[in-house]
Amino acid sequence: NAGVTQTPKFQVLKTGQSMTLQCAQDMNHNSMYWYRQDPGMGLRLIYYSASEGTTDKGEVPNGYNVSRLNKREFSLRLESAAPSQTSVYFCASSGTGQQPQHFGDGTRLSIL
Amino acid sequence: QKEVEQDPGPLSVPEGAIVSLNCTYSNSAFQYFMWYRQYSRKGPELLMYTYSSGNKEDGRFTAQVDKSSKYISLFIRDSQPSDSATYLCAMSGGSGGSNYKLTFGKGTLLTMNP
Repeated sequence: NAGVTQTPKFQVLKTGQSMTLQCAQDMNHNSMYWYRQDPGMGLRLIYYSASEGTTDKGEVPNGYNVSRLNKREFSLRLESAAPSQTSVYFCASSGTGQQPQHFGDGTRLSIL
Repeated sequence: QKEVEQDPGPLSVPEGAIVSLNCTYSNSAFQYFMWYRQYSRKGPELLMYTYSSGNKEDGRFTAQVDKSSKYISLFIRDSQPSDSATYLCAMSGGSGGSNYKLTFGKGTLLTMNP
């Protein structure tokens, strides 16, 4: 029972490099989400996709883009990485209505 | 006032004790309440999911919601070493809110004393 799978688990980038974080879920969920988690800041929503074919900004979207590739996959792209984007990134998914979100184990990203 | 307040701890308790974790919130539109457990270097794992006010029990875990006081609690009975983790509360709106947006507390770090 894989649930939500994120790749890679760790990555180190230099400032200005680009990077795509991958997320896939096998629970047939309609909605998918990207969060970042920083010490003292908690979990903050970057982007979400309520259903296949739609994406919307969350609380901290600047510097990121997303693609809902199909129902299973939702990717997060950093076009020009900045040190302020050093964080742990979590992908989550949920079913329809007010269903709880289920999280992957995160991608730890360091930008030098 | 922050939308969700949660004491960051750390909270240190002896094994076997009853643990009480709490969150307060300010948005009266919240209808759905969750507790997540997060081990170090892992993603948040859903523990409890409740709707509106009342209690819900699952094994050693009991979630309580008091909407009149805007206060939610998680109780852990017979605490064990495996309960050492960070506990996050989260909540979302009902008809007045949006199902995409979970508002999280910042988490309480719980450690067990042997």
